[in-house]
Order: sequence, then structure tokens, then C-alpha cells
Amino acid sequence: EVQLLESGGGLVQPGGSLRLSCAASGFTFRSYAMSWVRQAPGKGLEWVSAISVSGDNTYYADSVKGRFTISRDNSKNTLSLQMNSLRAEDTAVYYCAKGRQQGGYDAFDMWGQGTMVTVSS
Amino acid sequence: DTQMTQSPSSVSASVGDRVTITCRASQGISSWLAWYQQKPGKAPKLLIYAASSLQSGVPSRFSGSGSGTDFTLTISSLQPEDFAIYYCQQANSFPITFGQGTRLEIK
Repeated sequence: EVQLLESGGGLVQPGGSLRLSCAASGFTFRSYAMSWVRQAPGKGLEWVSAISVSGDNTYYADSVKGRFTISRDNSKNTLSLQMNSLRAEDTAVYYCAKGRQQGGYDAFDMWGQGTMVTVSS
Repeated sequence: DTQMTQSPSSVSASVGDRVTITCRASQGISSWLAWYQQKPGKAPKLLIYAASSLQSGVPSRFSGSGSGTDFTLTISSLQPEDFAIYYCQQANSFPITFGQGTRLEIK
């Protein structure tokens, strides 16, 4: 069964850091680009970051550039998101999402259940 | 950045109705357009990719069309399980962007 399982969410103070992880199973992880997408409470979807199959190419939304770092470990089938200098507006459910095509970014055909990140003092 | 604008923001319809949702891109995106369905408390589900290709396992009452800047998602005969929020998403260029969503409600 294809599965993505996020972890690492929680409550953090403004300016703090958090590291999210996404464990992938049921597919050849190293063959697919991966992304993080977030959803603030009661709001729409916002793409956050993407990473290529090898990890050599990374992409970020302007809202997180310079604060968040996406990475992957293909030997452990794991995607990560290091979040630093967190702000209240980063409060959201964070989803990891699998690219539909091998190596491509055209659509996300598999999503995790999401992990909640709350930034508050 | 490519801005995606959906219309309407919400729509009320009855079981059996035909419903169309529109998505407009601020610049041409060829056919790099996907549609998702999201139900409360759940992750989004891919319905359509490449503007008009039906994702495996998605009922054939869902269809997509368009290219360039104007796209539509059509549900030919609404079923009770179709009441949800629908999002379009462009993947022509980074940053990937989503529409603001269309809430489909029961009339």
C-alpha cells in the first residue's frame, strides 16, 4: 500500500524551530519528486517546497525561502522539512505529497494525513 | 508568480445536477493544470491532471477541459459524496500555486 506518514508537528514559540518528517512506503521513493503543502486553519492550500528525485534541486515559496529547508534521504525513504525562524503565519497542517510522474512535478497523486504545526507564545 | 483564480467561490447544487467550476490562470500554463477534491479533515485527493486526464480510480462523472489560461472541472451528475471543496493547481512553473478553492454545498 502506498503510504506517506508525517510526523514532527507541534506547538512552538515564534522564532523557534521544528523539523517535520515524512516516511514513505509502498513505492520507489527515489524515483519521485516530493513536495510539502500546507493549509492554515480554515484556509486553502499553499505549496511550500519541492525537491527533485536526487535532492540536488530544491524549490521554495517566497513566504518560506531562507527559513525552511527541504531534504530527502532516499536510503531511508524519508522526506524532511527543517523550519527555522517560525512565525505565527506558519501555523498550518503540513502535508507531504508525492509527484504523480517519475521525476515530475505536474500533480500530487498521494498525500499524507498531515501534521499540525502551531506557532504561538 | 502565476495566480490561479477559481469561480465561483461557492456553489449550491442538488444530487443529480451538473456542476461546472472554472479556474483562470494569470498567464498561460499550457495544460499543466490539476484538480483536487478535499473533504473536511482529510487530505486533498487528485481528480484530474494535465487539464483533462482522469486520475485512476476517479469516477467518470468528473471531467476537465481547457488549456492556456482557462480551465473547467465538470461533475456531470452530482452524487452525495461529491459535496466538498475543489482546488485547481498549476505546475507550469515554480512556485506551484493553487486556486482559492470552490465550496460545493448541498442545496
